[in-house]
Amino acid sequence: DARVTQTPRDKVTEMGQEVTMRCQPILGHNTVFWYRQTMMQGLELLAYFRNRAPLDDSGMPKDRFSAEMPDATLATLKIQPSEPRDSAVYFCASGLGLASNNEQFFGPGTRLTVL
Amino acid sequence: LAKTTQPISMDSYEGQEVNITCSHNNIATNDYITWYQQFPSQGPRFIIQGYKTKVTNEVASLFIPADRKSSTLSLPRVSLSDTAVYYCLPDSYNTDKLIFGTGTRLQVFP
Repeated sequence: DARVTQTPRDKVTEMGQEVTMRCQPILGHNTVFWYRQTMMQGLELLAYFRNRAPLDDSGMPKDRFSAEMPDATLATLKIQPSEPRDSAVYFCASGLGLASNNEQFFGPGTRLTVL
Repeated sequence: LAKTTQPISMDSYEGQEVNITCSHNNIATNDYITWYQQFPSQGPRFIIQGYKTKVTNEVASLFIPADRKSSTLSLPRVSLSDTAVYYCLPDSYNTDKLIFGTGTRLQVFP
């Protein structure tokens, strides 16, 4: 069955290094979301796209985070430079549009540890 | 900033019915209410959605009063496999409302 895939599943890096996380949305979905999950903050929305165009990235620290969709099958979230406080699980989700009753389908997440 | 409020945690035993209530005072006319379930090391997954009154599927029921400022997820006869975190949110693409927060951690005991 169709699923959202994310790579890598786990990433350990050192402070200051660049991190790139990738997401393949479900084929045919035109909305893509990036979330970050920590124990303290829960699940936070970082950014989202519709038809590959960024619609809202107000939840993202602009100085170090960037999100793009090079094509309809790939979304990327980049952190440069990474910091220990970026350690979290990052989820990508995709959906069928902007109607209020549309379901989001989540990927398995990327667990990021910044030392 | 729209926000939902739900209990941080709940405990139950196998076979019992569990009701988790969420308040969403800022819900808009066009918003549906969606509940997601998240198991450890997995992403959240959709379990049920409704707009008003009652919705039932094979997994759960969702009760929404007339004012729609709250909703109650009902899990009949829970099992150990229902141990998870449950999130409610008004499903809206007004991103101020796409706030999952910390959810309700349900622990089911044998």
